[in-house]
Amino acid sequence: DVQLVESGGGLVQPGGSLKISCAASEFTFRSYAMTWVRQAPGKGLEWVSSISDSGGSAYYADSVKGRFTISRDNSKNTLYLQMNSLRAEDTAVYYCAKAYDFFWSGLAFWGQGTLVTVSS
Amino acid sequence: QSALTQPASVSGSPGQSITISCTGTSSDVGGYNYVSWYQQHPGKAPKLLIFAVRNRPSGVSNRFSGSKSGNTASLTISGLQAEDEADYYCSSYTGSNTRVFGGGTKLTVL
Repeated sequence: DVQLVESGGGLVQPGGSLKISCAASEFTFRSYAMTWVRQAPGKGLEWVSSISDSGGSAYYADSVKGRFTISRDNSKNTLYLQMNSLRAEDTAVYYCAKAYDFFWSGLAFWGQGTLVTVSS
Repeated sequence: QSALTQPASVSGSPGQSITISCTGTSSDVGGYNYVSWYQQHPGKAPKLLIFAVRNRPSGVSNRFSGSKSGNTASLTISGLQAEDEADYYCSSYTGSNTRVFGGGTKLTVL
């Protein structure tokens, strides 16, 4: 079965930076686009960013554009999200996810999430 | 990137059918057949129920079905069961290389 395991979440001060990771296994990671979705406490799902299989194309929600950078290392089967200039409103559980097939298809596989808390 | 519009809550009795709507625009729901639906139980990761408007991944019960008319997509759950009580989210591709989710609907099984 597809496995996605996020890590690296924690407490960070406003204006700070954090890099979270998602380790993938049991599928050919280099062949699939990947996505980050977040969920603030008690709130709904919010798409954050997606990256193509090669890493050559990356897309961002307006709320994080210019502050967050998605990347991947296909040799390590790992997806990353570098988060800079963090704000209180970035506090959320961050999930990595893999689409069912096409880049923008339904997100069929999800990790368990990692909590990022932005607070002084 | 405005969120898709879903009712905040719906309810139904066991055995009944319910429908959750998801309204967008011609730039997202109405313009593409990339609407998906997710179920999320408290403290759990979302689970894909429907992709490409009406397709079910393997393992998802055929009690869940999806459809679309114009700018509104719908998820219907038939034969409601207690374990269906959860939050439900729709999502769509927007055509500008972004994905948007609905605000979520809380389903209560009476």
